[in-house]
Amino acid sequence: NAGVMQNPRHLVRRRGQEARLRCSPMKGHSHVYWYRQLPEEGLKFMVYLQKENIIDESGMPKERFSAEFPKEGPSILRIQQVVRGDSAAYFCASSPSGTGGNTIYFGEGSWLTVV
Amino acid sequence: KQEVTQIPAALSVPEGENLVLNCSFTDSAIYNLQWFRQDPGKGLTSLLLIQSSQREQTSGRLNASLDKSSGRSTLYIAASQPGDSATYLCAVRPDGSSNTGKLIFGQGTTLQVKP
Repeated sequence: NAGVMQNPRHLVRRRGQEARLRCSPMKGHSHVYWYRQLPEEGLKFMVYLQKENIIDESGMPKERFSAEFPKEGPSILRIQQVVRGDSAAYFCASSPSGTGGNTIYFGEGSWLTVV
Repeated sequence: KQEVTQIPAALSVPEGENLVLNCSFTDSAIYNLQWFRQDPGKGLTSLLLIQSSQREQTSGRLNASLDKSSGRSTLYIAASQPGDSATYLCAVRPDGSSNTGKLIFGQGTTLQVKP
């Protein structure tokens, strides 16, 4: 059973470009979460999605960031017009359901560098 | 607002020592608490999950305790080994967010076990 798969693992973008980060949850998991780890900071919750639904996006920056989890395919975190401050590790996590005491499983992360 | 603090920020011990990592949280209304391990440049590996109704969980050389009323958790590592060197993260799932999966993370304790 493969774990949470994220790609790309490393991504370099110039300021103003778009970054797309993909996440395939563990098999059987229908709940996906995105977290961001800025340099020298802890992990911060960004967004929680189920298939075709955004459940909680309270941690998402108001502009330039969007997330989706379509019926088919991976979840996508999209950052438009990237700036240097977007450089961070972006972690995806999944769980079988959002309720109950389920362990949340994390992927290996996508490291975004904006130059 | 829930805040999670981990002390110490860094710890260096000789191999074989037993050690304790501390985690405190400001709001005792939590659903559960999870300890993770993060190796440099890698994702998070879940170590132990303690439900709010539980007092402790054990896995191998690891034991995590939870005192919800005082807002504290400890991770005890017995007979430490160089392979235990990593950053250990504590995360709480606040009450009311049981169906959103939102975790609040501490800054982590970076452990170095010297051979």
